[in-house]
Amino acid sequence: DTEVTQTPKHLVMGMTNKKSLKCEQHMGHRAMYWYKQKAKKPPELMFVYSYEKLSINESVPSRFSPECPNSSLLNLHLHALQPEDSALYLCASSLGGTYNEQFFGPGTRLTVL
Amino acid sequence: RKEVEQDPGPFNVPEGATVAFNCTYSNSASQSFFWYRQDCRKEPKLLMSVYSSGNEDGRFTAQLNRASQYISLLIRDSKLSDSATYLCVVNNGAGSYQLTFGKGTKLSVIP
Repeated sequence: DTEVTQTPKHLVMGMTNKKSLKCEQHMGHRAMYWYKQKAKKPPELMFVYSYEKLSINESVPSRFSPECPNSSLLNLHLHALQPEDSALYLCASSLGGTYNEQFFGPGTRLTVL
Repeated sequence: RKEVEQDPGPFNVPEGATVAFNCTYSNSASQSFFWYRQDCRKEPKLLMSVYSSGNEDGRFTAQLNRASQYISLLIRDSKLSDSATYLCVVNNGAGSYQLTFGKGTKLSVIP
């Protein structure tokens, strides 16, 4: 199994809703990431988990709350989002080591109304 | 500020052509170098890691020049399926989880 899966593929939510994005990998990778990507821009790093501990938070607003229940799963809890948060949310994972190639999931396309 | 600069696009080439992408990076501490391809509205997919000695994978050849902080990707015998945006990506230093992405170069291969 060499893939990262994400659910849901699409999500539409209002500004008062609470929702969660889910990511799963079974490659034995020890680092997992959340990225946000707007149209025609490169991905922007939001969070990094290493060995199930949050190691990097790129000054992300608290309306985004990551969670890593175990080494294979990564969640992103969403609450009180703004329309400008509409984007493609990508999960990635990597094994670590010298090169530490990151492999991306298909993403969740989020629209905030 | 860590930056990765890529050729401005788009590149429109006929099938069978050879096309080269260039990239420069500003962070001399970078240790890992990659080319990703991204199709419209899809995720980035790792195309190649780029090693100091240069590496080849079928029609794709990547080169790294650490002294000039320059990375290249050569695609030979272009196929229609090569049409995508190509992202040059470098890490932020030894052991770093953080990557710096170039803005990407769009390639369209025309029949």
